[in-house]
Amino acid sequence: AQTVTQSQPEMSVQEAETVTLSCTYDTSESDYYLFWYKQPPSRQMILVIRQEAYKQQNATENRFSVNFQKAAKSFSLKISDSQLGDAAMYFCAYRAGGGNKLTFGTGTQLKVEL
Amino acid sequence: NAGVTQTPKFRVLKTGQSMTLLCAQDMNHEYMYWYRQDPGMGLRLIHYSVGEGTTAKGEVPDGYNVSRLKKQNFLLGLESAAPSQTSVYFCASSYPPWGASNQPQHFGDGTRLSIL
Repeated sequence: AQTVTQSQPEMSVQEAETVTLSCTYDTSESDYYLFWYKQPPSRQMILVIRQEAYKQQNATENRFSVNFQKAAKSFSLKISDSQLGDAAMYFCAYRAGGGNKLTFGTGTQLKVEL
Repeated sequence: NAGVTQTPKFRVLKTGQSMTLLCAQDMNHEYMYWYRQDPGMGLRLIHYSVGEGTTAKGEVPDGYNVSRLKKQNFLLGLESAAPSQTSVYFCASSYPPWGASNQPQHFGDGTRLSIL
């Protein structure tokens, strides 16, 4: 069974600084997809960024980028120029290629300080 | 853009009561999902549906039933609520995972359910 591990329950970052959230996963599949979701206090689940395992290039969405290390089964999220609105719970998620189930990590609570 | 709409947003039940959570999506998605979110445990899949008239068990299906009579709606039922079912419930929908398989799941805003 696939598992997703987020080993940092909480992280803090100063406004305008950079922070990296860690995620590791375990799978025997070669085709899969990885996602980072953001959950602010409003409880919405908002897609931040996605990565296809077959792509070597790391995904980037504005201030958000990932460091995808397939051999190490690591998928970290880097937030640059952190803003107060980035404060939220961040979930890493995995889906097997052709699969229909998302497996989530336990989340990392990110605090942004002035 | 409504997306995925869940009703109700909050509900308090007594042990043994029944209720149904409604999820509606207007994106013509084939797949729909119900998750529960508990502190420190992330989201866990309860049941899902790959199309109208179909349902399947997820990771934590016990104590819940679902129905997908219409493509746009996915209902989650608790026949006899238990305190262990106190949680935040999320509905999600997506296109089928083949083809453009990086298509994400779109989530509703959640339903906070408390069982006393």
